[in-house]
Amino acid sequence: NAGVIQTPRHKVTGKGQEATLWCEPISGHSAVFWYRQTIVQGLEFLTYFRNQAPIDDSGMPKERFSAQMPNQSHSTLKIQSTQPQDSAVYLCASSLVRYAEQFFGPGTRLTVL
Amino acid sequence: GQQVQQSPASLVLQEGENAELQCNFSSTATRLQWFYQHPGGRLVSLFYNPSGTKHTGRLTSTTVTNERRSSLHISSSQTTDSGTYFCAIDRASSSFSKLVFGQGTSLSVVP
Repeated sequence: NAGVIQTPRHKVTGKGQEATLWCEPISGHSAVFWYRQTIVQGLEFLTYFRNQAPIDDSGMPKERFSAQMPNQSHSTLKIQSTQPQDSAVYLCASSLVRYAEQFFGPGTRLTVL
Repeated sequence: GQQVQQSPASLVLQEGENAELQCNFSSTATRLQWFYQHPGGRLVSLFYNPSGTKHTGRLTSTTVTNERRSSLHISSSQTTDSGTYFCAIDRASSSFSKLVFGQGTSLSVVP
């Protein structure tokens, strides 16, 4: 079991460019979560999928952020027109079922110049 | 919204000392997890402990749900225990399944 896999580990973009982050949850896990970690805000929830269906995106900035889960083996988080304030570590987590223990990936550190 | 308060914010121990980290939350939690994060590292789940007491190695987690608090006890601390410890909760409902995190306790264990 490789755990939750996230790629790339580091990404640098220029202001206004697009960034796509990938997550492969633990095989067999039905719930997939995205969080963001910054020094100032700490750990914040972004969005949640259950059995590939989007359930809760209450933490997503509405205009430039989108997330998808086209199949059970991967999810993507896309940020359009990146801004410096989007710089953060983006974390993906999965759990076996809805309220079970969550396991986190190593994160993608996004730096927007 | 839910609030998770962790104390202390930071802690320095001499190797071999014990530590008690506290987590208080504002609403009944269905799920409570303790995580460890080494600087630059991933969040590692230490305990999934919505109620009661759990042990693993030198770590003990105790959650008293109706008092809305949890603690993480580290015995005989080692320098490798240095890092940040997070408490996170959620509340079961038809659509609410996200973890809300505290700000963490930064632990430094010195030789």
